[in-house]
Amino acid sequence: GNSVTQMEGPVTLSEEAFLTINCTYTATGYPSLFWYVQYPGEGLQLLLKATKADDKGSNKGFEATYRKETTSFHLEKGSVQVSDSAVYFCALSDIRGAQKLVFGQGTRLTINP
Amino acid sequence: AAGVIQSPRHLIKEKRETATLKCYPIPRHDTVYWYQQGPGQDPQFLISFYEKMQSDKGSIPDRFSAQQFSDYHSELNMSSLELGDSALYFCASSLVLREGTQYFGPGTRLLVL
Repeated sequence: GNSVTQMEGPVTLSEEAFLTINCTYTATGYPSLFWYVQYPGEGLQLLLKATKADDKGSNKGFEATYRKETTSFHLEKGSVQVSDSAVYFCALSDIRGAQKLVFGQGTRLTINP
Repeated sequence: AAGVIQSPRHLIKEKRETATLKCYPIPRHDTVYWYQQGPGQDPQFLISFYEKMQSDKGSIPDRFSAQQFSDYHSELNMSSLELGDSALYFCASSLVLREGTQYFGPGTRLLVL
């Protein structure tokens, strides 16, 4: 079945550092890929998405590129802020997002001032 | 913009009691999904409805049932509650025929004592 594997956390960085959170997937067909962010005590917010190979999703300085050849969707940000501290989930869904999401295990990110 | 509404936000129940969680999707969204997130875990898909019909089923216990009503709101009914049912329950909605991205509500935190 479909699965998502994320970089183990927790990840702790200093403000303005470069961030990479690795995500790889296993899927049949051509899934859509997503990054969701969960701030403490809150629900899941869509951060960015990509629906086909070589698409780049971007939002709030975060980027991720759908790499079919390496089955990856790594999340990057050039300069993190304290407010980026949260749990980040990589996820996939089948057939253009019409079906259930399969999540990775989440990566807790803490940014120190 | 209108978001997914869930009620109640917090719920405390005793073992063997029942609970009903409600979800009001984003207006004009035709699909509702339910997910369960245990402490420190990634969200797990429970069940989904498209145009008021069950469209997919995941790891939902037989003690749980759900439905989507004519106004598209959905309810998750949980009976014979167990300690292990303590979790954050998310509802998400999407517009399948457009692009299917799921938007999550803030969740209902259920504590079973």
